[in-house]
Amino acid sequence: SQQGEEDPQALSIQEGENATMNCSYKTSINNLQWYRQNSGRGLVHLILIRSNEREKHSGRLRVTLDTSKKSSSLLITASRAADTASYFCATDAGGGANSKLTFGKGITLSVRP
Amino acid sequence: KAGVTQTPRYLIKTRGQQVTLSCSPISGHRSVSWYQQTPGQGLQFLFEYFSETQRNKGNFPGRFSGRQFSNSRSEMNVSTLELGDSALYLCASSLVTANYGYTFGSGTRLTVV
Repeated sequence: SQQGEEDPQALSIQEGENATMNCSYKTSINNLQWYRQNSGRGLVHLILIRSNEREKHSGRLRVTLDTSKKSSSLLITASRAADTASYFCATDAGGGANSKLTFGKGITLSVRP
Repeated sequence: KAGVTQTPRYLIKTRGQQVTLSCSPISGHRSVSWYQQTPGQGLQFLFEYFSETQRNKGNFPGRFSGRQFSNSRSEMNVSTLELGDSALYLCASSLVTANYGYTFGSGTRLTVV
């Protein structure tokens, strides 16, 4: 079953623009993670934000977490054609030995050159 | 350091057969998780192994099984294959738990005919 739901399902932007992707989830979490997947290959870990954090940055990525609204957003600034991929949010609700990630269905991002 | 290695990359099997997929995690990583990815269901958690023991299990039938060896390498087995088992099978390794984020392999594309 999907814990996280991403929005929108698909996003098409011009190179240089910012891309904002949202994720909502249902239950309390320990952390939330964002991953990128290119063309049906393995997923690449982008960023992890813990439940006691509100915002994190990594290069051109900015993630926010609002636990009261059970939502997160991923912002990619100054997008490049190479950012074209599917993006997934994943939640860890278990903690400790019960940690496991539950993934949303993903957002398809197309960046036009 | 070497990434997560999954073999084989592609497999074509006939209904009713069985298949074994292999995953070598990053050196030092003790947790290995398996996911099934399909266009309809997205990423579904199969199971997680830690120190040769199954620590978490998803909602898949008993035809899906796995094991982990003392060197942390893991295998998953699917018996009596069905057409619906066609999917990308992804292995993810983490240091101890998903709380630290996953490193994924490139996956094994299984096609059942």
